[in-house]
This record gives sequence, structure tokens and C-alpha cells, in this order.
Amino acid sequence: EVQLVESGGGLVQPGGSLRLSCAASGFTFSSYWMHWVRQAPGKGLVWVSRINSDGSSTTYADSVKGRFTISRDNAKNTLYLQMNSLRAEDTAVYYCAREGGSYYFNYWGQGTLVTVSS
Amino acid sequence: QSALTQPRSVSGSPGQSVTISCTGTSSDVGGYNYVSWYQLHPGKAPKLMIYDVTKRPSGVPDRFSGSKSGNTASLTISGLQAEDEADYYCCSYAGSYTLRVFGGGTKLTVL
Repeated sequence: EVQLVESGGGLVQPGGSLRLSCAASGFTFSSYWMHWVRQAPGKGLVWVSRINSDGSSTTYADSVKGRFTISRDNAKNTLYLQMNSLRAEDTAVYYCAREGGSYYFNYWGQGTLVTVSS
Repeated sequence: QSALTQPRSVSGSPGQSVTISCTGTSSDVGGYNYVSWYQLHPGKAPKLMIYDVTKRPSGVPDRFSGSKSGNTASLTISGLQAEDEADYYCCSYAGSYTLRVFGGGTKLTVL
């Protein structure tokens, strides 16, 4: 059974940093592109970042470019999102998602809440 | 990249059909056959309902169907059931730079 379990969320002050993790199981993690998607309270889903299967290529939404870094450890079956210079508008539930065959997300985690507030 | 446009809410009675629209541009919905739909229940992981505009993953009831015309994609749910009450989001591939754009979400209420 495919499982994605996010962790690392919490309360952080503006300007602070946080690293999210997504532990994957039930599939060959190193074969799949992975993504982070977030949902601010009362708002819709927003794509944040993606990484290819071997970690050599990454892309970011303009809103997080230069502040967030996506990475992966295929030996540990884990996806990461390093978030620096956090802002109040980064407050959201962060989901990791596995990309399916063609530009869709066929598995998601349950999310981890990040709250940026003083 | 602007979010795709969805109605904020739709509703229907059990057994009826509802359609949720998702309007984008020729740079996303209209330019590629890579529209997907997701169901969100509070506190649960999002679930893929439709991909590649019309394809249904295994395990998704055939009451769910997708289509596209021009820059607008649609999700139709027929034979509404109480458990279909959820938020639904469309998503489109938008080219190699932007990659993905979501709709604003539609709350489906089963009356």
C-alpha cells in the first residue's frame, strides 16, 4: 500500500525556518517525481515545488522561489522541503504528493500544518 | 500564473447529477489534455478522481466523469450520494516552467 506521511510542521515566527519531511513507503520511491502542494486556511490548493526522480532537477512556484528548497534522499525514501525566511502567507497545510504517469498526483499524504506567526 | 476558475459551490439532491466547471486559458487547460480532479474531505488526504481529462483511476466509481471543451474542463458526478459531499479541485499542466495550476475549489453540497 502506498503511504506518504508528512512531518515537521509547527509554529514558527516570521523570518524563521522549518524543514518538512515526507516519508514514503509501499512503492519504489526513487522512480517517481514528487511534489509539495499547500492549502492556506480557507483557501484552495496551490502547487509549491517539484523534484525529479533522482533529485537533479527542481522547480518552484514564484511565491517561494529563493526561500524554499525541495530535496530528496532516495536511500531513506524521504522527501524534504526546507523553508527559510517564512512569512505569514506561508501558513498552510503542506501536502506531499506523488506524480502519476502524466502530470497528475495519484497519491497524497494527509498534510502537515505550518503556522507562521509571532 | 492565475488559478483556474471554478464555481465556489454547487449542490444537488441524492440521485441527481451535478457538473463542476474549471476554466483556464490556452496556456493551461486549453493547451494540454492534462487536467485532473481531486476530492478533498476535511482531515483526509486528497484523492485523485479524474486524470488526463477523462480517465478514471481504478476504484473511482463510474459516476464520476470528466470532459473538456476549449479552455474549460468539467467534472460530472451522476447519481449523487451523500459521501460525494466534499471540496473538488481541478488542476492542469501549464508548461514546463509553471508546471501545475489548480482551480480555486468547489464545495459540493448534497442536499
